[in-house]
Amino acid sequence: DTEVTQTPKHLVMGMTNKKSLKCEQHMGHRAMYWYKQKAKKPPELMFVYSYEKLSINESVPSRFSPECPNSSLLNLHLHALQPEDSALYLCASSQEAGLSYNEQFFGPGTRLTVL
Amino acid sequence: EDQVTQSPEALRLQEGESSSLNCSYTVSGLRGLFWYRQDPGKGPEFLFTLYSAGEEKEKERLKATLTKKESFLHITAPKPEDSATYLCAVQGYSNYQLIWGAGTKLIIKP
Repeated sequence: DTEVTQTPKHLVMGMTNKKSLKCEQHMGHRAMYWYKQKAKKPPELMFVYSYEKLSINESVPSRFSPECPNSSLLNLHLHALQPEDSALYLCASSQEAGLSYNEQFFGPGTRLTVL
Repeated sequence: EDQVTQSPEALRLQEGESSSLNCSYTVSGLRGLFWYRQDPGKGPEFLFTLYSAGEEKEKERLKATLTKKESFLHITAPKPEDSATYLCAVQGYSNYQLIWGAGTKLIIKP
């Protein structure tokens, strides 16, 4: 089963709202990722969790706060976002992070609109 | 600097008209090259991993090949449902993050 699930599919929020994106995988993968994708651009890495610990933060603003409650779940907490944060947010997982091959499987994404 | 360039930016084909997409890369030691398919508004769907020059992989109408400088995604007798953006990404030995190309938008007309 090569499935990564994400909820919600769509999210509209105001700049003062607090919301969370959720991601789940049951492939036994030990690395999980958050990406941001703007229209007609490739995915842009935001965070990497390896064995439930944050290993990479690509200089993402603090209004994005990741959390990895366990090896199957990944959350992205959102607060005080800006309209330019509107994008498709993708979760992915892979067997390992680090210096091994990095075949990543993506979820369907959450389309976020910030008003 | 690690870099991936995909061409063409967009490709329009008639149904049944075979063609190839190109992914040129420069990386300090290739650990893996990955092909994904992405439909509008959805997450990328994994297609292939290639590890070394000369390697080939096939899936239905798609065949991916790899040389030391580039990869090709050959599409044979495409159908309208093959329309999508095809993304190429590489992973080098010095940095395990994926370096992505900008993608090729493939449109197959019936």
